[in-house]
Amino acid sequence: QVQLQESGPGLVKPSQTLSLTCTVSGGSISSGGYYWSWIRQHPGKGLEWIGYIYYSGSTYYNPSLKSRVTISVDTSKNQFSLKLSSVTAADTAVYYCARDFSGGATFDYWGQGTLVTVSS
Amino acid sequence: SYELTQPPSVSVSPGQTASITCSGDKLGDKYACWYQQKPGQSPVLVIYQDSKRPSGIPERFSGSNSGNTATLTISGTQAMDEADYYCQAWDSIRGDVVFGGGTKLTVL
Repeated sequence: QVQLQESGPGLVKPSQTLSLTCTVSGGSISSGGYYWSWIRQHPGKGLEWIGYIYYSGSTYYNPSLKSRVTISVDTSKNQFSLKLSSVTAADTAVYYCARDFSGGATFDYWGQGTLVTVSS
Repeated sequence: SYELTQPPSVSVSPGQTASITCSGDKLGDKYACWYQQKPGQSPVLVIYQDSKRPSGIPERFSGSNSGNTATLTISGTQAMDEADYYCQAWDSIRGDVVFGGGTKLTVL
């Protein structure tokens, strides 16, 4: 059973960089065949896809966030990470990591989510 | 940008059939999927590639997609099905994953 677990600071100051890591267990990122995504949900709102990475390092980002997002992968640790720069209060959200098994955005496994608040 | 539109809320009586729609320009030309999210929990995939059910999802969940509308149908709705439901598609032209705004399903 694949499991994903987000980790990182729950509080980030405005203008700083939000950094989160997703640790995957029960399966190897480097085995290929899956895309590893970050998705967020603003409080009381809907879902917003941030981007994904393949084990090879290929990335694809939400065009509206592309200028501020970097997703990277560490196959030795079976982890992938998110960096979102120049954050504002509008980036306050629950951040989920998820596995896409289709390459066309179908998320079959999700982490439990982690709330990141942007505040001074 | 590509948009998916869902009704904010749908109500259904226990045992009846609930239908939740998702509208988007030529949505039928894309694959649609659906997620169920209960309060405080992560989303769960209930339908993918328009009409396929992942392992473990009850048969009462079904989906269709044609023209500009995808539909999630829950037959014999149970109290445990009360949740928010999100449709989602892949906009290959923009290279963007798009979610609908979500529909709150109330079973009363």
